[in-house]
Amino acid sequence: DQQVKQNSPSLSVQEGRISILNCDYTNSMFDYFLWYKKYPAEGPTFLISISSIKDKNEDGRFTVFLNKSAKHLSLHIVPSQPGDSAVYFCAARTGGGADGLTFGKGTHLIIQP
Amino acid sequence: EPEVTQTPSHQVTQMGQEVILRCVPISNHLYFYWYRQILGQKVEFLVSFYNNEISEKSEIFDDQFSVERPDGSNFTLKIRSTKLEDSAMYFCASRGDTGHQPQHFGDGTRLSIL
Repeated sequence: DQQVKQNSPSLSVQEGRISILNCDYTNSMFDYFLWYKKYPAEGPTFLISISSIKDKNEDGRFTVFLNKSAKHLSLHIVPSQPGDSAVYFCAARTGGGADGLTFGKGTHLIIQP
Repeated sequence: EPEVTQTPSHQVTQMGQEVILRCVPISNHLYFYWYRQILGQKVEFLVSFYNNEISEKSEIFDDQFSVERPDGSNFTLKIRSTKLEDSAMYFCASRGDTGHQPQHFGDGTRLSIL
C-alpha cells in the first residue's frame, strides 16, 4: 500500500543546475507534506514543508510545489550544490490527532561537478 | 541548534531478549514519535506519544512494543521479546506544539537481532 510514491530511485544533476524531485500521493486526506534529506548513518533532516492550503513554499534554494488536483508535489533545488547529494524523502500526514508521517521510498540525488 | 539524541547508536541483542532504545527529544517539544527503517525499505511510522499517552500507533506496533516517558527528558521504546525481523534502524522524532510543525529526527539506533 504505497500512499506516497517517489518513482525515481535516483537522479543525477550537474552542479549549478536545477534538481527537481517528484512525489505522488493517493490519500486525499493528507493535509501537510514535508521533504527530508538523509545522509548515510544519519537521521532524516527536515528541509521544507507545505500545507495543503498552499501551492508553493520557498526557503532559500528550496521550493516545494503542491498540485492537489494531481496529488503531486515536487521539490526544486536551485542551484544544486555538491552538498545536496543525499537521499530525499517525501512525507505526508493526515492531520488532526493522527500525525504519524507516511514516507516515500526516497530518491537518491547525485550532484555531479 | 537543538537536536534529538538517541542512544545507543548500535545495539546487538539475542533473539528473545528485551531491548530498550532511548531518546532525548528536543526540550520544548511535546509530541514524540518512533519510526523504523528495515534495510532497503521505507521509513515506517510506529507510534506517537503526547501528554503521557499513546495518541496513534501503526499495525507494526503490536503487544511486544511499548513506549514510556520515564522522566522529563527521556522517551523510550521497549521491545519485549525481540525477533529476527525486528532488526532495523529505529528513529525517534519530536515536534513542537503549534500548528503545522515538522518532526525532527535523531540519528537512529541500529538494532541487530542475532
